[in-house]
Formats: sequence, structure tokens, C-alpha cells
Amino acid sequence: EVQLEESGGGLVQPGGSLRLSCAASGFTFNNFWLSWVRQAPGKGLEWVANINQDGREKFYVDSVKGRFTISRDNAKNSLFLQMSSLRAEDTAVYYCARDSGSASYYSWGRGTLVTVSS
Amino acid sequence: QSALTQPPSASGSPGQSVTISCAGTSSDVGGYDSVSWYQQHPNKAPRLLIYEVYKRPSGVPARFSGSKSGNTASLTVSGLQAADEADYYCSSYGGNNNVLFGGGTKLTVL
Repeated sequence: EVQLEESGGGLVQPGGSLRLSCAASGFTFNNFWLSWVRQAPGKGLEWVANINQDGREKFYVDSVKGRFTISRDNAKNSLFLQMSSLRAEDTAVYYCARDSGSASYYSWGRGTLVTVSS
Repeated sequence: QSALTQPPSASGSPGQSVTISCAGTSSDVGGYDSVSWYQQHPNKAPRLLIYEVYKRPSGVPARFSGSKSGNTASLTVSGLQAADEADYYCSSYGGNNNVLFGGGTKLTVL
């Protein structure tokens, strides 16, 4: 069974940094693209970033470019999102998702809440 | 990187059918057969219902169907059930390795 479990969320002040992690199990980790998708409170889903199998290709939504960095450790079956210069509008539940092909996501984690507030 | 356009709400009575639209452009919905639909109940992770416009993952009832015409995709839920009351999101490949989501549609079963 595919499992994805996010961690690392919490309360951070504007301008601060936070590192999210996603621990994966139940599949061959280094065979798949992985993504971060977020959802602001009461709002819709927003794709944030994705990374290819070997970690060399990374793509971001415009609003986080230069502030967020996606990475992965295939030896530890883990995905990361390093977030810096955080803004109030980054407040959201952040989901880790496994790309199922054709920009679709069959497997999702439960999410971790990031709150940016003073 | 504009979001896809969905109606904010939709409704239907048990047993009826309802269709939710998802409008994009020729650079996303119209340009690729990479439209997906998700169902999300409160405080839960999204669940994939439809991928590649009309395909259903194993375990998704045939009551859920997808289609596309030009730059607009649609999700039809037939034989509405109380458990179908949820938020529904479309998504599409947007080119340049980006993925776009719609703003979401709240489906109410009357």
C-alpha cells in the first residue's frame, strides 16, 4: 500500500523559514515524479512544485520561485520542501503527492499545516 | 499560470445527474488530454476520480464520468448519492511542467 506522510508544518513568522518532509513507503520511490500541492484555509488546491525521479528536474509555480526549493533523498524515500521568506499567503495545508502520469495524482498524504503569522 | 474556471457550486437531488464544468484555454485543457478530477470531503485529502479526461482509477464507480470539448472539460455524477456531497476540483497539465487546478465546485445533494 502506498503511503505518504508529511511532517514539519507549524507556526512561523513572516520572513521565516520552514522545511517540510514527506516520508514515502509501499512503492519504488525513485521511479516516480513527486509534487507538493497546497490548500489555503477554505480555498482550492494549488500545485506548488514537482521533482523528477533523480532530482535533477524541478519546477515551481511562479509565486514561490526563488523562495521554495524542492528536493528528494532516494536513499531515504523522502521528499522535502525548503520554504524561506514565508508570507501570510503561504499559509496552507501542504500535501505530498505521487505523480501517476498525465499530471494526475492518485496517492496523497494527509497534509501538514503551515501557518505564517506574527 | 491562471487557475482553471469552475462554478463555485452545483446541486442535485438523490438519483439525479449533475455536471460540473472546468474551463481553460488552448494552452492547458484544450491542448492536452491530461485533465483530472478530484473529490475532496472536509478535512480529507483529495481523491482521484478521473484522469486523462475520462479514465477512472480502479475503485471509482462508473457513476463518475469525464469528457472534454475544446477548452472545457466536464465531470458528470450520475445517480447522485448523499456521500457525493463534497468539493470537486479539476486539474490540467499547463505546459512547462506546470499543473493547474480549478477553483473548486461545492456539490450539494438536496
